[in-house]
Amino acid sequence: AQTVTQSQPEMSVQEAETVTLSCTYDTSESDYYLFWYKQPPSRQMILVIRQEAYKQQNATENRFSVNFQKAAKSFSLKISDSQLGDAAMYFCAYNLRGAQKLVFGQGTRLTINP
Amino acid sequence: DGGITQSPKYLFRKEGQNVTLSCEQNLNHDAMYWYRQDPGQGLRLIYYSQIVNDFQKGDIAEGYSVSREKKESFPLTVTSAQKNPTAFYLCASAPSGSITDTQYFGPGTRLTVL
Repeated sequence: AQTVTQSQPEMSVQEAETVTLSCTYDTSESDYYLFWYKQPPSRQMILVIRQEAYKQQNATENRFSVNFQKAAKSFSLKISDSQLGDAAMYFCAYNLRGAQKLVFGQGTRLTINP
Repeated sequence: DGGITQSPKYLFRKEGQNVTLSCEQNLNHDAMYWYRQDPGQGLRLIYYSQIVNDFQKGDIAEGYSVSREKKESFPLTVTSAQKNPTAFYLCASAPSGSITDTQYFGPGTRLTVL
């Protein structure tokens, strides 16, 4: 079965510090894309960052970066200089060629302490 | 502004009723999706469509129906056959539905069965 596991149901971090959210996935495919989405209290899903599996270089978007370990099937999200607006549920997901869907993890609730 | 709209934001249904959730996009995207989100869980795919007048079942299609008569519209009907319809429903769209696409989400509809 194709699955995504986020082992941390909840995380908290002090404002301005760095936090890493973990994600592992299980697929036998070699061609796929990985995503981190953020769901704030408004509940709209917002794309944070994406990574193409064939690229070894880790993706970065401002304060957000990933640590992609293809052999280990790991795709963690690092948030630097955490801000109060980063508080949300974070979902890891991947998109397989031909699957026509995103496979989501169960999410990590991130709290930012002022 | 380009984006995805969903209506209504909140919907209440009595037992045995069919209800229809609206999803409209003005992004000129070919692909559209419906996901269901239950508390403490990630999203699961209900239906998707890559082109007008064509759609495919996702992982949890039983008790749901869709239509795609126009490129910009992809309404979801929750029928009385859906035994546990109380959930948060998210609509998404993507340029073509290929593996390289990012899916963009609407603000969601919260459905409650009374």
